[in-house]
Amino acid sequence: KQEVTQIPAALSVPEGENLVLNCSFTDSAIYNLQWFRQDPGKGLTSLLLIQSSQREQTSGRLNASLDKSSGRSTLYIAASQPGDSATYLCAAPDLSGGYQKVTFGIGTKLQVIP
Amino acid sequence: KAGVTQTPRYLIKTRGQQVTLSCSPISGHRSVSWYQQTPGQGLQFLFEYFSETQRNKGNFPGRFSGRQFSNSRSEMNVSTLELGDSALYLCASSAGTSGTNYYNEQFFGPGTRLTVL
Repeated sequence: KQEVTQIPAALSVPEGENLVLNCSFTDSAIYNLQWFRQDPGKGLTSLLLIQSSQREQTSGRLNASLDKSSGRSTLYIAASQPGDSATYLCAAPDLSGGYQKVTFGIGTKLQVIP
Repeated sequence: KAGVTQTPRYLIKTRGQQVTLSCSPISGHRSVSWYQQTPGQGLQFLFEYFSETQRNKGNFPGRFSGRQFSNSRSEMNVSTLELGDSALYLCASSAGTSGTNYYNEQFFGPGTRLTVL
């Protein structure tokens, strides 16, 4: 059964700072991993799907890496802005759980202070 | 392309009632998954449908059920509502054409906020 841990649970940074969000998973046999952001009371917005063959995936100021051997993924946010304030969740597939089964971390709540 | 839509966005029900939530996936997507999100438990997988068949089910009581129609739209139903069913219910769509060992990227709807009084 896949278990996902996200550290830190909350993060507050001044605008303009570069930051790294961490995601650890226990079953490293996965082929990919997905990062999401969630604004309060809203649905999840897909940020990046990173394949294990890619090691890294970039979208604008976001860069995600995936290291299966260590069971870790990181989401790097460059030059943070107040609009980046949200909860960031990673989702790792639970390969023993059947079709489309993923395990979500509890998320990192990010606050970017102007 | 239109995104995933969910209706209604908000619902208030009383204990013992039943409720039906609807989800329309992205055009061309055949897989729909449902999740329950609460502050205490986070995101919990309910079930997944593909081409009108339930392929996977999470660890929820039988009061939670769902179905998928030929146009890929999906509904979930909760009968005999309990206070603990108050949550944000999210659906996600994906192409979902691969086997059990490959996860297909998911796209989420805005959710339905259910409050049980």
